[in-house]
Amino acid sequence: HSALTQPRSVSGSPTQSVTISCTGTSSDVGGYNYVSWYQQHPGKAPILIIYDVNKRPSGVPDRFSGSKSGNTASLTISGLQAVDEADYYCCSYAGSYTVVFGGGTRLTVL
Amino acid sequence: EVQLVESGGGLVQPGGSLRLSCAASGFTFSSYEIYWVRQAPGKGLEWVSYISSNGNTRSYADSVKGRFTISRDNAKNSVYLLMNSLRAEDTAVYYCAREGIVGALGCFDIWGQGTMVTVSS
Repeated sequence: HSALTQPRSVSGSPTQSVTISCTGTSSDVGGYNYVSWYQQHPGKAPILIIYDVNKRPSGVPDRFSGSKSGNTASLTISGLQAVDEADYYCCSYAGSYTVVFGGGTRLTVL
Repeated sequence: EVQLVESGGGLVQPGGSLRLSCAASGFTFSSYEIYWVRQAPGKGLEWVSYISSNGNTRSYADSVKGRFTISRDNAKNSVYLLMNSLRAEDTAVYYCAREGIVGALGCFDIWGQGTMVTVSS
């Protein structure tokens, strides 16, 4: 499986919303409702923010939401805050106990 | 506290071997699948390997298949990654991660802090 395709960077001003796309194939994103998203600050381990396409773990603000259409999943962050500035990675189950990650998107809060 | 702690990283020459460990605490380790994920310097996340809760099922990324071996010891609450025939492109921070949400395949709710592996002469 090739890496999922994400934009290399996105940006937005505080209080605005941004959406990060994640495009795969029918063998991963399109074939399973097992898309997850991770936030990673520099030098830190990733943190789960969305799973099963659109579910939020306990403690994750509802400013973070996920969706999927066909082979493309999306992460939307509304009400941008400075603390949201980080790298974001999508991940999809790809069958036979394998997963594939996206290349990552750097979010800059202007 | 629920946590995973990796160890065993370091500097190794090309062609050499290294064994990483991932020690779990704060949860019933034997009930959970564990993955290894790596991140090369300045690069994105890459899945490396998977092991089922009882250790009977394992899988590997094509980039490491035949060179890396994953195993676990549920009595010691630990997962291991034996890395042979190491290459420069294996240089990365290696994370172990727990597939912890029931029914959510390939979703990692707990990550370790990572251990750095550098392959260089």
